[in-house]
Amino acid sequence: AQSVTQPDIHITVSEGASLELRCNYSYGATPYLFWYVQSPGQGLQLLLKYFSGDTLVQGIKGFEAEFKRSQSSFNLRKPSVHWSDAAEYFCAVGPSNAGGTSYGKLTFGQGTILTVHP
Amino acid sequence: KAGVTQTPRYLIKTRGQQVTLSCSPISGHRSVSWYQQTPGQGLQFLFEYFSETQRNKGNFPGRFSGRQFSNSRSEMNVSTLELGDSALYLCASSLEGGDSSYNEQFFGPGTRLTVL
Repeated sequence: AQSVTQPDIHITVSEGASLELRCNYSYGATPYLFWYVQSPGQGLQLLLKYFSGDTLVQGIKGFEAEFKRSQSSFNLRKPSVHWSDAAEYFCAVGPSNAGGTSYGKLTFGQGTILTVHP
Repeated sequence: KAGVTQTPRYLIKTRGQQVTLSCSPISGHRSVSWYQQTPGQGLQFLFEYFSETQRNKGNFPGRFSGRQFSNSRSEMNVSTLELGDSALYLCASSLEGGDSSYNEQFFGPGTRLTVL
């Protein structure tokens, strides 16, 4: 069964510092990978996605992520964090070949809460 | 284009009651997925509908059900509510197509259900 692990439950950084949020996945084939952000009381907003091709993907709000097949990782990075980036971040994996019991299902990690100090 | 909308945004129910939540997908999106989000269990997949058919179901009891209408709008129902059903229920819609974009899900703001 596919699974996603976000090792860090809570990360605190200073405004202007760099950020890296870790994500490891377990999946039998090449997965579709996503990072979502959730502000308190809100739904999920897609930051970026990886389907195939270039392993370094750019997203919105200055975020990027790198897919590393050998490490089964898809870490999210941002060179300079802004106070407005404080939120909860979720890594998710979707089936690369939907069918049968795979339709419409994203498997999420437990999330990483980001706190930004001024 | 309008985003995914969910109604109501907040609900308070008592144990034993039933509840119906509604989701309107982005125009043109034909797949609707539902998720339950709780502090303890995180985000868990409930089910997915496409063309009025449930194609996939997560590991939830039969008290959780759903349906999809011909205009792709979807509802989910929870019968005989339990305290543990208190959660944020999120709906997501996606295109259904032959390329990879169909897997990109767009989420609504959620319905916050509190069971007393």
